[in-house]
Amino acid sequence: KAGVTQTPRYLIKTRGQQVTLSCSPISGHRSVSWYQQTPGQGLQFLFEYFSETQRNKGNFPGRFSGRQFSNSRSEMNVSTLELGDSALYLCASSSEPGTGKSEQYFGPGTRLTVT
Amino acid sequence: GESVGLHLPTLSVQEGDNSIINCAYSNSASDYFIWYKQESGKGPQFIIDIRSNMDKRQGQRVTVLLNKTVKHLSLQIAATQPGDSAVYFCAENTRTGGSYIPTFGRGTSLIVHP
Repeated sequence: KAGVTQTPRYLIKTRGQQVTLSCSPISGHRSVSWYQQTPGQGLQFLFEYFSETQRNKGNFPGRFSGRQFSNSRSEMNVSTLELGDSALYLCASSSEPGTGKSEQYFGPGTRLTVT
Repeated sequence: GESVGLHLPTLSVQEGDNSIINCAYSNSASDYFIWYKQESGKGPQFIIDIRSNMDKRQGQRVTVLLNKTVKHLSLQIAATQPGDSAVYFCAENTRTGGSYIPTFGRGTSLIVHP
């Protein structure tokens, strides 16, 4: 079974631009979560989608948004990029969210650099 | 590979030793805890989990201990191997809106010397 895939793996953008990152979960997984990882703040939860609905959202500004499609694939968008948005963005999928048996499988991440 | 963090606490051990990695969590309402391993250039990998109604859980070569009184979690790795070298994170999960919101620790870098 293929793992979680994220595209692109690396991205360089300029301040003020917007970016869209893509995540394909493991086949059969309906929950997709997004995380931001930086040296300064560590790993932080962005949001979780399940059946095309956002279930939870972390403490990030409205410039960060996401969506999930009917095939469970998810995208996240960051508008008006700032230098501080430079980070590794990780996507994780799980099959049974909210049950306590929701082992998450992470993708390799997208490394975003904002210049 | 990519660095996952700067100035992380580091634990250096010899191959074959037992390793203990500690984590303090903050929310007494958290009821589900997970340890992850992250190797350079890769996403975190689930190691073991424990629910708040337990104080100990064992897996293959790993044991997680939970002390809710002092809000402390530890991961013990038996007979540590060079392949165990990685950054280890704990995550406390708080149930919200039918799902869990995770809060991650900063991580500890484990270095295993052959």
